Amino acid sequence: ILNVEQSPQSLHVQEGDSTNFTCSFPSSNFYALHWYRWETAKSPEALFVMTLNGDEKKKGRISATLNTKEGYSYLYIKGSQPEDSATYLCAFWGYSTLTFGKGTMLLVSP
Amino acid sequence: EAGVAQSPRYKIIEKRQSVAFWCNPISGHATLYWYQQILGQGPKLLIQFQNNGVVDDSQLPKDRFSAERLKGVDSTLKIQPAKLEDSAVYLCASSSDSYEQYFGPGTRLTVT
Repeated sequence: ILNVEQSPQSLHVQEGDSTNFTCSFPSSNFYALHWYRWETAKSPEALFVMTLNGDEKKKGRISATLNTKEGYSYLYIKGSQPEDSATYLCAFWGYSTLTFGKGTMLLVSP
Repeated sequence: EAGVAQSPRYKIIEKRQSVAFWCNPISGHATLYWYQQILGQGPKLLIQFQNNGVVDDSQLPKDRFSAERLKGVDSTLKIQPAKLEDSAVYLCASSSDSYEQYFGPGTRLTVT
């Protein structure tokens, strides 16, 4: 069983705060690391697919970094807004399968 | 481009009853996945189809779960009989390559 860990489990911040989450995954047999945002009652939405060690990707106020040698990825949200409230899932693609973490539930209060 | 469609969105059944979920993937996507997401856990792959053939069903509880993908397009996932521990969100996803999977909104199943 592959171990994909996310922390924190949940987070409550105020509008305008910046925040970050961690995803740790096996450092061997790495193929790709995915980040998804999943709002209640909606489809999980792909944020980033990261494949190379040292990758940094950005989409608006959200960015992510990747370290495949030590097996971790960080997701950053700058200036959180209430519409950022969602569960953020990371998924490790390796050993021919996609393994998800349990997610970080973010709540942003106005 | 239309996304992955799933129905029903919500279902409540009693234990030992049967239930079926339907998924229509993005047009042209050869690979289709069914995931089970139990509250507090990450989505777990139940079965993966490539066109209408099964690629991986190692985590599908075959004594009660079955799935098919007729003609390599739509797919149905069935549970018969349901148990309390089957309460979960069932997600369908499709992809045209191994990299990116596109998810439907899921079916939330409650077994009482």
